[in-house]
Amino acid sequence: KQEVTQIPAALSVPEGENLVLNCSFTDSAIYNLQWFRQDPGKGLTSLLLIQSSQREQTSGRLNASLDKSSGRSTLYIAASQPGDSATYLCAVPGGSYIPTFGRGTSLIVHP
Amino acid sequence: DVKVTQSSRYLVKRTGEKVFLECVQDMDHENMFWYRQDPGLGLRLIYFSYDVKMKEKGDIPEGYSVSREKKERFSLILESASTNQTSMYLCASSLRWGKASYEQYFGPGTRLTVT
Repeated sequence: KQEVTQIPAALSVPEGENLVLNCSFTDSAIYNLQWFRQDPGKGLTSLLLIQSSQREQTSGRLNASLDKSSGRSTLYIAASQPGDSATYLCAVPGGSYIPTFGRGTSLIVHP
Repeated sequence: DVKVTQSSRYLVKRTGEKVFLECVQDMDHENMFWYRQDPGLGLRLIYFSYDVKMKEKGDIPEGYSVSREKKERFSLILESASTNQTSMYLCASSLRWGKASYEQYFGPGTRLTVT
């Protein structure tokens, strides 16, 4: 069964720092990996989708990398801002292709 | 843009009531999902559907049922609401497995309180 772990569980940083959020998964036979953002009390917003054939994807200040062989993905946030404060979740397909989610990293960026 | 909408943002129901949560997507996606999200437990899959009238149980189907009569609409039914079903309910949709990208898209969520 696919298991997804996100480290750290929580992070509090001053504005302007560059951040790395980690996601690890146990079954490397994945089709893709997706990173989401969730604001308190809201649904999940898709940030980046990395196909299994890709090594990274970029969107603005966000860069996600994928290393299938080691079962890891990182989400890099450059020059963090208070508006980046949210919970970040990663998801990879598990059995029957159904996405398995990590518990998320709760990020606070303070001014 | 893909849009997934849910019928209510907040809902308060009494114990024993039958509750309907509706989800609609506008991108002709084959797959639709219902999750609940609780602090400390993360996202848990209740049911999913890969086609009209098709459904599969997820990790926690007990106390729930679903209906998918049309491709764009996926309903979650709490047959007899209980207080332990107080939660945030999230609907999602995606393309069918095997297509180039089955990126998941989520609705805004329904915060259900059962008293």
